[in-house]
Amino acid sequence: NAGVTQTPKFRVLKTGQSMTLLCAQDMNHEYMYWYRQDPGMGLRLIHYSVGEGTTAKGEVPDGYNVSRLKKQNFLLGLESAAPSQTSVYFCASSRPGSDTGELFFGEGSRLTVL
Amino acid sequence: GQNIDQPTEMTATEGAIVQINCTYQTSGFNGLFWYQQHAGEAPTFLSYNVLDGLEEKGRFSSFLSRSKGYSYLLLKELQMKDSASYLCAALDSNYQLIWGAGTKLIIKP
Repeated sequence: NAGVTQTPKFRVLKTGQSMTLLCAQDMNHEYMYWYRQDPGMGLRLIHYSVGEGTTAKGEVPDGYNVSRLKKQNFLLGLESAAPSQTSVYFCASSRPGSDTGELFFGEGSRLTVL
Repeated sequence: GQNIDQPTEMTATEGAIVQINCTYQTSGFNGLFWYQQHAGEAPTFLSYNVLDGLEEKGRFSSFLSRSKGYSYLLLKELQMKDSASYLCAALDSNYQLIWGAGTKLIIKP
């Protein structure tokens, strides 16, 4: 049982390049999230999904796009990377319900934009 | 606005007890969560409180006062492996998690 898996784990990009981060979960969770974590700041929600085929904007969606074509996968895309997008990105999943804040996180993807 | 406040860093001694405080202001409230995050790793769930009072889980306990917008995480019999960041997060009326910046706990022998 792998839980939540993110690929790639590390990536270095040049300004203006594009890339996609892949998140896969095998717990049959309805909800999936993409967060970024920067030093001295709390986790910030980029986009989230409450089910297959649905996505919604979080706190900091600009410069990112997402897709949830299959229930188990949630993709995060950067169309034109900027140095401000240098961060650690975490994918997470959860069940709907009163304890929906119990998130299961992937190991993180460390992105550097030069 | 919505806000979570917790100390940036705390230091404690192995074998001792430490209390990490968290205050929150959210639009509605559906629960308070604590997560542990070791350096370079993902956050992992520790506890969930939605009713006032203390929830005990082994060496870790979490307390909530809804009227005061206050929670704390109590760690007993500290071990070196407890050195980590502890993240407080509140679930608002839209079931969105609002995260604090985390408290880095340093354990000294």
